[in-house]
This record gives sequence, C-alpha cells and structure tokens, in this order.
Amino acid sequence: NAGVMQNPRHLVRRRGQEARLRCSPMKGHSHVYWYRQLPEEGLKFMVYLQKENIIDESGMPKERFSAEFPKEGPSILRIQQVVRGDSAAYFCASSPAVARVNEQYFGPGTRLTVT
Amino acid sequence: AQTVTQSQPEMSVQEAETVTLSCTYDTSESNYYLFWYKQPPSRQMILVIRQEAYKQQNATENRFSVNFQKAAKSFSLKISDSQLGDTAMYFCAFMKHIGNQFYFGTGTSLTVIP
Repeated sequence: NAGVMQNPRHLVRRRGQEARLRCSPMKGHSHVYWYRQLPEEGLKFMVYLQKENIIDESGMPKERFSAEFPKEGPSILRIQQVVRGDSAAYFCASSPAVARVNEQYFGPGTRLTVT
Repeated sequence: AQTVTQSQPEMSVQEAETVTLSCTYDTSESNYYLFWYKQPPSRQMILVIRQEAYKQQNATENRFSVNFQKAAKSFSLKISDSQLGDTAMYFCAFMKHIGNQFYFGTGTSLTVIP
C-alpha cells in the first residue's frame, strides 16, 4: 500500500513564477491537508480539503495561494507570483475519514526554493 | 488559541542511554489528542506516539513512552535505550478532539552520540 506521494520533491522557481505542488493521498483516503514548514520552525496548517470541497482554509494566505482536490487526480497547492518568503517545505497529509482526522499520514514533502 | 511549546531546541544523548524531551501546551479544550512526530534528515514526518487526553494511562510504543500530565498541560517523550537511528528533529503536536489540524511545536533536535 503506497503511502502519501508528493511531487516534485524539490522545486526551484524564480520570483514571480508559479509553483504547483502535487499530492496523491493514500489509497482509500479522501481527506487531504497541506502544511508549510519554514526553516527552523514546526509545520503550520494551511488548508483541509475533501474531494471537490475546501473544508477549512483558515491557515492559507489570502492572496496568491490556492488549493484544490478534484474528483479525479491529485490535490494541487498552487502559489502564484512566488516571493522569496514562500521558500519552505510543503507537506501534504491524508486521512481516511471524517471520524479519523487525527490519523493523518504525511508525505515526504516538497521543498520549494524561490531564487 | 492552541499553542505548543518545546523549550529545548537541541539535545544529545549517549547511545543506549535514556533521554526525555519536554513539551507543554495551552488550550481551553477538555478533550484532545497529543502526538510526537519524528523528522529525520530525509524530512519525512513519522508518527512516534499518540495520546488521547481522556485516557489517563500514558501511551507506550516499544522504547518510546510519554509522561502526560493533563493538569500541568505537559506531555514529555522518553526514549529508552537510544539508538543512532533516533537522531532526528522531534515535534510535539496537538489536535482538538473535534478538529482537523495539527498545532506543532518548534521542535527539538536530538543527536544520539555513539
């Protein structure tokens, strides 16, 4: 049973470009969470999605960031017009059901570097 | 608001010895979950142990155990018989019982010395 998959593992973007980060949850999981880890810090919650729905985006910056989890395919975290402060590791986690949100399995993360 | 504090940025321990990592948290919730995650150099987040606040018995997973003091809002992790593979960042985390997000501390970097 494959775990949570994220790609790419490393992404380099110039300021002003767009970054797209992908997350494929574990098989049978329909809940996806995105977290951001800035250098020397713990992970911080960004957004929680179920298939085709954003449930909680309270941790997402209001501008330039968006997330989706379509009916088919991976969840996408999109950052438009990246700035140096967006450089961080972005982790995706998935869980199997609403009643089991405390069972979140993490992917290996995508390290975004903005030059 | 929920906050998690890890006051030890770095720790070291001799191989085969025991080490305790500290974590305190602040919440007004009465029921919640507490976790310890390990992040080795690969950066993969690995669940070490989980505690449900309404359970008084401290959780144990092999060489890992916790000391959960609910009144003091303290949740320390004890690693017995430390191994070189235990070298990693360790994050303490909180989740509300009715919630969907982790609140993480800033981490403790543990080095096991051969």
